[in-house]
Amino acid sequence: ETGVTQTPRHLVMGMTNKKSLKCEQHLGHNAMYWYKQSAKKPLELMFVYNFKEQTENNSVPSRFSPECPNSSHLFLHLHTLQPEDSALYLCASSQDYRTGPGANVLTFGAGSRLTVL
Amino acid sequence: DAKTTQPNSMESNEEEPVHLPCNHSTISGTDYIHWYRQLPSQGPEYVIHGLTSNVNNRMASLAIAEDRKSSTLILHRATLRDAAVYYCILRAPISNFGNEKLTFGTGTRLTIIP
Repeated sequence: ETGVTQTPRHLVMGMTNKKSLKCEQHLGHNAMYWYKQSAKKPLELMFVYNFKEQTENNSVPSRFSPECPNSSHLFLHLHTLQPEDSALYLCASSQDYRTGPGANVLTFGAGSRLTVL
Repeated sequence: DAKTTQPNSMESNEEEPVHLPCNHSTISGTDYIHWYRQLPSQGPEYVIHGLTSNVNNRMASLAIAEDRKSSTLILHRATLRDAAVYYCILRAPISNFGNEKLTFGTGTRLTIIP
């Protein structure tokens, strides 16, 4: 399988549930990202990881907890979410520019559509 | 971050060229111009990018004004599969960690008329 794969594609959860979103990339990239896309709003960068280390946290509430066990996998753990957190969550990856050419491009997954009841 | 301005929506007939404009009057000398598009029910996908010179690839062409304050994405022969939201983004300088910091706007929703 190639590209960036996100699971699940759709998730419905209550405000007291705990769930996780998973992202896997098969591109040999070493930077991974979480973006949030709410209805009628631009994409918002949430977190960035380089070589498994978190390098950006864009003031995201602690009810979103990312995890990057290796350069190919990225998780977003969700707990005690609010209805306004309902959105499309997009994972992306890119090559760290310091390791070679082709660093300019983000490759996105298809997203996980989250609905919080 | 320098901002871009795009029309909210455009329509084009199938099999005709499409010119999608983008204004970025506050662009800095080191900002690259990136274009992504988002098809329905998909994540964004990279289309093309450039710095100063016009660029061509298999998907599209990018025409950059001489003063770099505007650019135009050109789809040479639009098909129904090109219906998407097109984002013009100025790529901020790479962070010290080597990752990309792309700030997406609201883009242009392109409708293709059969």
